[in-house]
Amino acid sequence: AQRVTQPEKLLSVFKGAPVELKCNYSYSGSPELFWYVQYSRQRLQLLLRHISRESIKGFTADLNKGETSFHLKKPFAQEEDSAMYYCALRGYGQNFVFGPGTRLSVLP
Amino acid sequence: DGGITQSPKYLFRKEGQNVTLSCEQNLNHDAMYWYRQDPGQGLRLIYYSQIVNDFQKGDIAEGYSVSREKKESFPLTVTSAQKNPTAFYLCASSIASITGNGYTFGSGTRLTVV
Repeated sequence: AQRVTQPEKLLSVFKGAPVELKCNYSYSGSPELFWYVQYSRQRLQLLLRHISRESIKGFTADLNKGETSFHLKKPFAQEEDSAMYYCALRGYGQNFVFGPGTRLSVLP
Repeated sequence: DGGITQSPKYLFRKEGQNVTLSCEQNLNHDAMYWYRQDPGQGLRLIYYSQIVNDFQKGDIAEGYSVSREKKESFPLTVTSAQKNPTAFYLCASSIASITGNGYTFGSGTRLTVV
């Protein structure tokens, strides 16, 4: 069965500090992993996907198949990064499964 | 703010009433989805449709119904059988369910039972 866990409901960091939002998954095949973000009063939107190996807004995420993790990282958090972050998994030909989300709060 | 539109933004329903939430997209996407978002539970899939005139139940379909008569439209009806309908509902679409593309989400409808 597909499952995504995000152990932290809320993560607070100070501006300029590094941030890591954890995501672990369970899936028997080769999944595709995504991070979605929802800023206050905005719609949920795709932040990045592991297949692109890109950095968006300073965020990166590496798929670690050995640890079944896809943690989201940023070296220096900004106040505008405060948002709700969802990790999502998609198996081949299947729908997305979303984690419960982590609310990131970047303090001034 | 085009792409995928949900209406209304806020909806109030009395106990025992059915209500229909609208979702329209002009992205020419084949697949459309309905999710329910509750605090601490993330997004849970209600129904999805990969092609016109076809749809499948998601994880929490009980008390809901959908139709897909047109590619652009995927309305969700919350029936009186849904025990706890107060929630934030999100519609999404994607090019196809098989590729690795992400979803495009609507801005959501907040339904409150009064």
